[in-house]
Amino acid sequence: EVQLVQSGVEVEKPGESLKISCKGSGYIFPSYWIAWVRHMPGKGLEWMGIIYPGDSDTKYSPSFQGQVTISADKSINTAYLHWSSLKASDTAMYYCARRDPGNFFFDSWGQGTLVTVSS
Amino acid sequence: SYELTQPPSVSVSPGQTARITCSGDALPKQYAYWYQQKPGQAPVLVIYKDNERPSGIPERFSGSSSGTTATLTISGVQAEDEAEYFCQSADSNDSYVFGTGTKVSVL
Repeated sequence: EVQLVQSGVEVEKPGESLKISCKGSGYIFPSYWIAWVRHMPGKGLEWMGIIYPGDSDTKYSPSFQGQVTISADKSINTAYLHWSSLKASDTAMYYCARRDPGNFFFDSWGQGTLVTVSS
Repeated sequence: SYELTQPPSVSVSPGQTARITCSGDALPKQYAYWYQQKPGQAPVLVIYKDNERPSGIPERFSGSSSGTTATLTISGVQAEDEAEYFCQSADSNDSYVFGTGTKVSVL
């Protein structure tokens, strides 16, 4: 069974750094693109970027380029989303999602990681 | 990047048909995909490549696309279908966009 398991709830202060994770199992992790998607309270889903764990090829949405860093460690089947300096406006639920190979939709999603940034 | 526009809400009585539209300039050239998201849960794919249904998704969910508009149809709506629905597509630069989301209320 394909599973994406994300790290737990985070409560941080503005200016702090944070890295959240997404661990895949039940499939060949390096061979599938993994995307990160933001869901702010009361708003729609926003695609942030996507990484191919096999070679770490990464693409960012223009809205998130320079704001976050996406990485992966294929040896432990895990993708990451990193902020170097959090802002209150980063408060949101973050999902990782696996892209179907050869297509442009997401067939499996993590359970989400809630990030709250507050002083 | 481009946008996908959905109506904010759709209300329907049980057993009736709900239709949710998704409008975007790239849709004549790109497939539309649809996700269902219930409160506190991750999105679930319900339609891919305009009109294909993943295994395990009930037959009452169907999709179509014509010109710049894709449509998700839920026939014989059930109370459990109350959720937010998002369309999604990808552009020629391999970047992805989600629609604005539609809340389906079952009266």
